[in-house]
Amino acid sequence: KQEVTQIPAALSVPEGENLVLNCSFTDSAIYNLQWFRQDPGKGLTSLLLIQSSQREQTSGRLNASLDKSSGRSTLYIAASQPGDSATYLCAVKGMAGYGNKLVFGAGTILRVKS
Amino acid sequence: DARVTQTPRHKVTEMGQEVTMRCQPILGHNTVFWYRQTMMQGLELLAYFRNRAPLDDSGMPKDRFSAEMPDATLATLKIQPSEPRDSAVYFCALRVLNYGYTFGSGTRLTVV
Repeated sequence: KQEVTQIPAALSVPEGENLVLNCSFTDSAIYNLQWFRQDPGKGLTSLLLIQSSQREQTSGRLNASLDKSSGRSTLYIAASQPGDSATYLCAVKGMAGYGNKLVFGAGTILRVKS
Repeated sequence: DARVTQTPRHKVTEMGQEVTMRCQPILGHNTVFWYRQTMMQGLELLAYFRNRAPLDDSGMPKDRFSAEMPDATLATLKIQPSEPRDSAVYFCALRVLNYGYTFGSGTRLTVV
């Protein structure tokens, strides 16, 4: 059974800092990994999708890496801003035959102080 | 997300009442997922459909929950009878080729 863990559970940083959020998964047989952002009381917004054959994806100040063999992904946020404050969720999708289930981590609550 | 519309956004109901939540995907998305989010359990998959047929509903309490896709533009999740432990945010999601999953804004359900 796939399990996804996110560390740290919460993070508070001053504006302008670069930061790294960590995600680990127990079963390396994944199809892809997706990072989401969730603002309080809102739905999930997709940030980055990394296919199992890829090593990283970038979008603006965000960079996500994937090391499938070690079961790890990181989300790097450069020059953090107060508007980045949210909960960040990592989710993995299993290979075909394991269903279409997205398994989520518990999330990292990020607060960027101005 | 503009691709998925969920209604109602908020629902407060008394224990024992029937609750129906709706998800309207854009026509052409044939795989629909229902997730539930609570503080204790995080995000859990309840059920998903492809081409309107249920493929996996193992995460759903079948004695009180039912999920259907009456047509290609509408998916519903029904709870009857509702219980306080059903209080959660329920999300509908679509799988989009090369994009991954896109989620609706959710229905926040409170059962008192």
